[in-house]
Amino acid sequence: QKEVEQDPGPLSVPEGAIVSLNCTYSNSAFQYFMWYRQYSRKGPELLMYTYSSGNKEDGRFTAQVDKSSKYISLFIRDSQPSDSATYLCALGREGNTPLVFGKGTRLSVIA
Amino acid sequence: EAQVTQNPRYLITVTGKKLTVTCSQNMNHEYMSWYRQDPGLGLRQIYYSMNVEVTDKGDVPEGYKVSRKEKRNFPLILESPSPNQTSLYFCASSFRGASGELFFGEGSRLTVL
Repeated sequence: QKEVEQDPGPLSVPEGAIVSLNCTYSNSAFQYFMWYRQYSRKGPELLMYTYSSGNKEDGRFTAQVDKSSKYISLFIRDSQPSDSATYLCALGREGNTPLVFGKGTRLSVIA
Repeated sequence: EAQVTQNPRYLITVTGKKLTVTCSQNMNHEYMSWYRQDPGLGLRQIYYSMNVEVTDKGDVPEGYKVSRKEKRNFPLILESPSPNQTSLYFCASSFRGASGELFFGEGSRLTVL
């Protein structure tokens, strides 16, 4: 079983839709949960960073972590064409072990 | 402006011709790392550095070398490039080690013929 699983999509939604992006993981040692957004021909940039189970909200974005189910989600409300990008989940552990990235979900928001 | 700068952004080379991709950050981060990104495989770590003169292998280090002589610079060296090293490369840095927020460069697209 892979450490992190993420549906690659592509996912296409109309403008204004609520988008749900998800990752599942197998290692309960993961403590840090991140979502990165990557626009075409650009490097990934951090969107959300959470340390524990529960929800974290930032504007139209909500990150949700369920450690018991080993499942993390990113919700985008009122999606905009500018949200069209690839979204990567990233999970980290204590110590100096590198982040483990999901393969990314490609999202297109159609005006 | 806080940034990670990579050069070159695009490069086409031939098998066996040594090349270096430079990476520089202006945020005084101790941790730096190199990734390659390939379709269907995602981001994979090549090498990382916890501080000056401290480097270690990531998941896919074969065929690559790095050095960290100064805090701000972390060049990636391909001594004898091969076609399977054709990829999109990203340098990243972090103020809080391997599990902190990573700041990525814009990427370097390398093609080895």
